[in-house]
Amino acid sequence: AQSVTQPDIHITVSEGASLELRCNYSYGATPYLFWYVQSPGQGLQLLLKYFSGDTLVQGIKGFEAEFKRSQSSFNLRKPSVHWSDAAEYFCAVANSGYALNFGKGTSLLVTP
Amino acid sequence: DAGVTQSPTHLIKTRGQQVTLRCSPKSGHDTVSWYQQALGQGPQFIFQYYEEEERQRGNFPDRFSGHQFPNYSSELNVNALLLGDSALYLCASSLYTDTQYFGPGTRLTVL
Repeated sequence: AQSVTQPDIHITVSEGASLELRCNYSYGATPYLFWYVQSPGQGLQLLLKYFSGDTLVQGIKGFEAEFKRSQSSFNLRKPSVHWSDAAEYFCAVANSGYALNFGKGTSLLVTP
Repeated sequence: DAGVTQSPTHLIKTRGQQVTLRCSPKSGHDTVSWYQQALGQGPQFIFQYYEEEERQRGNFPDRFSGHQFPNYSSELNVNALLLGDSALYLCASSLYTDTQYFGPGTRLTVL
């Protein structure tokens, strides 16, 4: 069965510092991979997705993620974090775009 | 272009009652998926509707049922509510199996 692990429950970074959020997946075939962001009490906003092709994908708000098949990872990165990036981040995997299987999320705190 | 909309925003029910949540998909989308997000957890897939049929279902009891209308909007019904059903219920729409876009959610509190 497919599953997603986000090893870090909470991460704190200083504004302007770089960010990397980890995501590991378990899936037999080539997965469809996603990163979503959720502000408190809100729905989920899609940051980026990987279906196939170039393993480095660019998303909105300056985020990028790299698919590494050998490590079963799809880590999210941003070179310089802004205070408005503070939110909950979810990695998800899907088979053929049907049900999304989410990780438990990583809560990002940005300090001045 | 309106995104995914959900109603109501908040809902308070008591144990044993029944509830209906509603979702209107993004313009041009024909598929609706429902997710339950308990506090501090990631969303859990409930089911997905396409062409007015349930196409896939997650690990939820039969108390959870749904419907999709000819205009692609959808309802989620939960019978015999339990305290553990308290959660944020998220609707997502897509064009067939393409990327899912989420609505703001309905916060259900069961007392």
